[in-house]
Amino acid sequence: AAGVIQSPRHLIKEKRETATLKCYPIPRHDTVYWYQQGPGQDPQFLISFYEKMQSDNGCIPDRFSAQQFSDYHSELNMSSLELGDSALYFCASRPTSGISYNEQFFGPGTRLTVL
Amino acid sequence: GNSVTQMEGPVTLSEEAFLTINCTYTATGYPSLFWYVQYPGEGLQLLLKATKADDKGSNKGFEATYRKETTSFHLEKGSVQVSDSAVYFCALSPRANSKLTFGKGITLSVRP
Repeated sequence: AAGVIQSPRHLIKEKRETATLKCYPIPRHDTVYWYQQGPGQDPQFLISFYEKMQSDNGCIPDRFSAQQFSDYHSELNMSSLELGDSALYFCASRPTSGISYNEQFFGPGTRLTVL
Repeated sequence: GNSVTQMEGPVTLSEEAFLTINCTYTATGYPSLFWYVQYPGEGLQLLLKATKADDKGSNKGFEATYRKETTSFHLEKGSVQVSDSAVYFCALSPRANSKLTFGKGITLSVRP
């Protein structure tokens, strides 16, 4: 079965640089969520999109922005990177309907390291 | 606001031991409850879920029952295996389209 695809899987950046993380949801999933998991921490919700519109936001810094495109893939743009941004970034998608309607399916994550 | 509290870890068990991982939650209404598992170096996988009071979620020998009266969703397995070694997260979602709120997670190590 198709899964959520995230790219890149690993990313190393310097402080003050920018990074773009990409997420490709499972086909027919119209909602995308972004989470940040710091080392040894629980995942924290950043932002979500439904039908290409922002639906909710959480602990997302002003230096970050995100969008969902017409093909439902999403990109998380991170600028002026700080050491504290080093984390695992997960994308999750949720189906439009069906028995899994309230389930979020997670991608493998992008591990960002800021040096 | 919504929150999830998990028992502190880590937990180390011998193979075939009984496992209980406690999880309690605070939320208004009737949230959906989930257990996710994260194997080393991997993403989050849904282990089981329950969407209403007294529902029992089960998968791969793991079970958890949605207890509204005690606001709990404890994870149990009768006989753990080495392959169950992972980090386990309890989570809730107040509505179907809402973000997930996770507990702190607990690391389970199972010895042969």
